[in-house]
Amino acid sequence: KAGVTQTPRYLIKTRGQQVTLSCSPISGHRSVSWYQQTPGQGLQFLFEYFSETQRNKGNFPGRFSGRQFSNSRSEMNVSTLELGDSALYLCASSLRGDYGYTFGSGTRLTVV
Amino acid sequence: SQQGEEDPQALSIQEGENATMNCSYKTSINNLQWYRQNSGRGLVHLILIRSNEREKHSGRLRVTLDTSKKSSSLLITASRAADTASYFCATDPSGSARQLTFGSGTQLTVLP
Repeated sequence: KAGVTQTPRYLIKTRGQQVTLSCSPISGHRSVSWYQQTPGQGLQFLFEYFSETQRNKGNFPGRFSGRQFSNSRSEMNVSTLELGDSALYLCASSLRGDYGYTFGSGTRLTVV
Repeated sequence: SQQGEEDPQALSIQEGENATMNCSYKTSINNLQWYRQNSGRGLVHLILIRSNEREKHSGRLRVTLDTSKKSSSLLITASRAADTASYFCATDPSGSARQLTFGSGTQLTVLP
């Protein structure tokens, strides 16, 4: 079966712009989570969606937002980009979190 | 912030040797999971151990969990060059199985 698909793979944006990243989970998985990975802070939880509802949110500013559609596909948006937002953004889906998560290959965002 | 610390931060061994990585965490957990990441790509789920389990095996992987010490270890036996990657432990600290908190990771290099 297809894995978790993230698009685009790479993105370069300018400070102040906004960006939207997309994630298609494994078929049948209704939970989608987003993580940010940077060399300095490591892997940090952004938010988790289930059946179009945000159930959990990490400690990130309001510039980071997301949503989930009825087909479980999810998008995350970052507005007013800052240099520090440069990171690998990872999406993960799960049937049930206590069985482990399947991660996508990530979107590498560079803010210049 | 990261829940756990991993030890060592980097490990270099010869092919055929065993590799042991340790993870410590701070809060009570539902389960602890280990993931592998190759060169900044997506994470691959390796194994999940529940809080009421003490040891688990999967192929060449052996994971132990000591909830009294809040620590876990991952043993990879008979290492191969293809095992070269970063390894992360992740805990679900919330009890809701919706959010992972990752350790800082161990960079394993297996020399041919």
